[in-house]
Amino acid sequence: DTAVSQTPKYLVTQMGNDKSIKCEQNLGHDTMYWYKQDSKKFLKIMFSYNNKELIINETVPNRFSPKSPDKAHLNLHINSLELGDSAVYFCASSPTKDRGGNQPQHFGDGTRLSIL
Amino acid sequence: AQSVTQLDSHVSVSEGTPVLLRCNYSSSYSPSLFWYVQHPNKGLQLLLKYTSAATLVKGINGFEAEFKKSETSFHLTKPSAHMSDAAEYFCVVSDRSYGGSQGNLIFGKGTKLSVKP
Repeated sequence: DTAVSQTPKYLVTQMGNDKSIKCEQNLGHDTMYWYKQDSKKFLKIMFSYNNKELIINETVPNRFSPKSPDKAHLNLHINSLELGDSAVYFCASSPTKDRGGNQPQHFGDGTRLSIL
Repeated sequence: AQSVTQLDSHVSVSEGTPVLLRCNYSSSYSPSLFWYVQHPNKGLQLLLKYTSAATLVKGINGFEAEFKKSETSFHLTKPSAHMSDAAEYFCVVSDRSYGGSQGNLIFGKGTKLSVKP
C-alpha cells in the first residue's frame, strides 16, 4: 500500500550512460514533483508537473527530462550522465498544483544514483 | 522570494530531554510552513504544517511548532526526546510567489538530530 514508490532504490552506472528512474503514486494526486538531494542533504526542486503544466527549474540541465505516461506516473530520464549527477532523487506528489501552498507533499523513499 | 534558515546543522540531546530545532523564514506573503523528517535511507515524512490557522501547531510523534510572526520563526520542539527521533529535520516554506513556481517547496539545509542514551 505504498503511496509514492520509486524504482530503482539504488542505481550505479557509468558516466555517459542514459538512465531512467520511475515514480508511481496511488494517492490519486494531480501533481507530481522531482527533487534532487545533494551530498550535503540539501533538497532542491527540479520539476513540478500536472497534466496541464510542466514547470522546470531553470537550473536543471536539459539532459534531465520528466516523462508522464499518465497522472499516476512521472518518470525521470537522464541523458549523458555526469559525475555531478550523483545524488539522491526524490519523487513527490500532492493533491493539486496548489497555488495557496497549503497542501503537503508525499515523498517516495528516494533513488540513490552513483556515477562511476 | 521565500526562504528558510535552519540555525543549527547538528543538535545533540540526551534521551528524555527536550528538543529544540530552530527555523527562521523570510517571506513577502503570509507563509505556509512545514517540518519534514528524514530517517536514514528513507524519504521525507511530514511532521506538521502551519497554514495561517492556529499559531501553535501539533504534529505527529509528540512534536509541535509555534509560528511567531514578530520573530519570523517556526521552531520545532518536543518535550522529551526518544532514540527513534534521531534523524534529519527540514524546515520548509511553500513558494507563494507569482508564477509557475507557486506551490513548490523551498527547503532549509536541514538539522541533524542525534539522541544519546
